[in-house]
Amino acid sequence: DVKVTQSSRYLVKRTGEKVFLECVQDMDHENMFWYRQDPGLGLRLIYFSYDVKMKEKGDIPEGYSVSREKKERFSLILESASTNQTSMYLCASSPRWNEQFFGPGTRLTVL
Amino acid sequence: DQQVKQNSPSLSVQEGRISILNCDYTNSMFDYFLWYKKYPAEGPTFLISISSIKDKNEDGRFTVFLNKSAKHLSLHIVPSQPGDSAVYFCAARKSGYALNFGKGTSLLVTP
Repeated sequence: DVKVTQSSRYLVKRTGEKVFLECVQDMDHENMFWYRQDPGLGLRLIYFSYDVKMKEKGDIPEGYSVSREKKERFSLILESASTNQTSMYLCASSPRWNEQFFGPGTRLTVL
Repeated sequence: DQQVKQNSPSLSVQEGRISILNCDYTNSMFDYFLWYKKYPAEGPTFLISISSIKDKNEDGRFTVFLNKSAKHLSLHIVPSQPGDSAVYFCAARKSGYALNFGKGTSLLVTP
């Protein structure tokens, strides 16, 4: 079974803090993705990576950066958290461009 | 610009009846379509997919229909069960690109 794990299920941070969200997959997938899910807006792609050290902007990259130093790990970084970044963050991985496998999500609250 | 649209935010169906979830897309280059199911506080899980060379794919109680000329796909669940209550996301991709997700439809199956 594919396993995608995320470092935290729930996280509370203060405005201006630097936030790291970690994602690890154990199936040697080439592609990894970060989404956020908000009510009424569905899943929106923040960044994705198709190889180590490679990254591409998704639909809403502003305020975020990513890092992929190893194939199995993809990190999402909020340089200076803001209240409008309160959301559910979902990581996914996929072999090539086929169906994506999602982690359990991190519910981030920025106060 | 939303390329995948789920125009019904919610749907309520009685247990045992058919649930039909609809999805429209605008990009004629999409060649692969997927449905995901999401429970609260969990990541989406892959449900069923269909390639653009087919018009129907069936897996147990779940069937996806694709009408390319209308740029429309639908997910049929027969018979519906209370455990099917979840948010369903339609997704589409063109080869070599990330998935585009709809905003989701919340299905409630009542006993």
